[in-house]
Amino acid sequence: GNSVTQMEGPVTLSEEAFLTINCTYTATGYPSLFWYVQYPGEGLQLLLKATKADDKGSNKGFEATYRKETTSFHLEKGSVQVSDSAVYFCALSDPTGNQFYFGTGTSLTVIP
Amino acid sequence: NAGVTQTPKFQVLKTGQSMTLQCAQDMNHNSMYWYRQDPGMGLRLIYYSASEGTTDKGEVPNGYNVSRLNKREFSLRLESAAPSQTSVYFCASSEFWRSAENSPLHFGNGTRLTVT
Repeated sequence: GNSVTQMEGPVTLSEEAFLTINCTYTATGYPSLFWYVQYPGEGLQLLLKATKADDKGSNKGFEATYRKETTSFHLEKGSVQVSDSAVYFCALSDPTGNQFYFGTGTSLTVIP
Repeated sequence: NAGVTQTPKFQVLKTGQSMTLQCAQDMNHNSMYWYRQDPGMGLRLIYYSASEGTTDKGEVPNGYNVSRLNKREFSLRLESAAPSQTSVYFCASSEFWRSAENSPLHFGNGTRLTVT
């Protein structure tokens, strides 16, 4: 079956620190991979996506590379800001039916 | 551009009461979804509608019913609320049901439901 595992939180970083949030997946076939971000009191927003192996998704300084050999899609940012404080969800989509499978979310707090 | 709009934002129910959560999208999307979000469990799919006129069960459908009223609107009904249904509910939509690039989900801001 399909599933997503992401690192437990919460994560607390100082401003300008390097961020990595790990995400691994199990899937049949060739899923698409996504990172969503949820700011307090809001719904999830698409942050970035990758649709095939070795693709790199990027947005707002965040990056993630679709690694089929390690079944991973780790989220990285070189220098976090206070405004990046949010909950981050890794997700995969089954191309046969567009069903999405979400990780449990990782809460990030960035302190000045 | 409103995107996905959910009402109400907050609701408190007593055990056994019923209510309907409303969702509408203005992006002309074909597919719509209802998720619930619980601490430590991420998002779990309750029901989805791949296209207008169809609905299907997701991972946790028990205790819920849905109606795809038209292409824009997809409602979620709790017939007899239980404390286990205390959660945050999100409606989402996507452009296509099946596509090579798996059109991403667009979410509403959620409904926080408490059942006492």
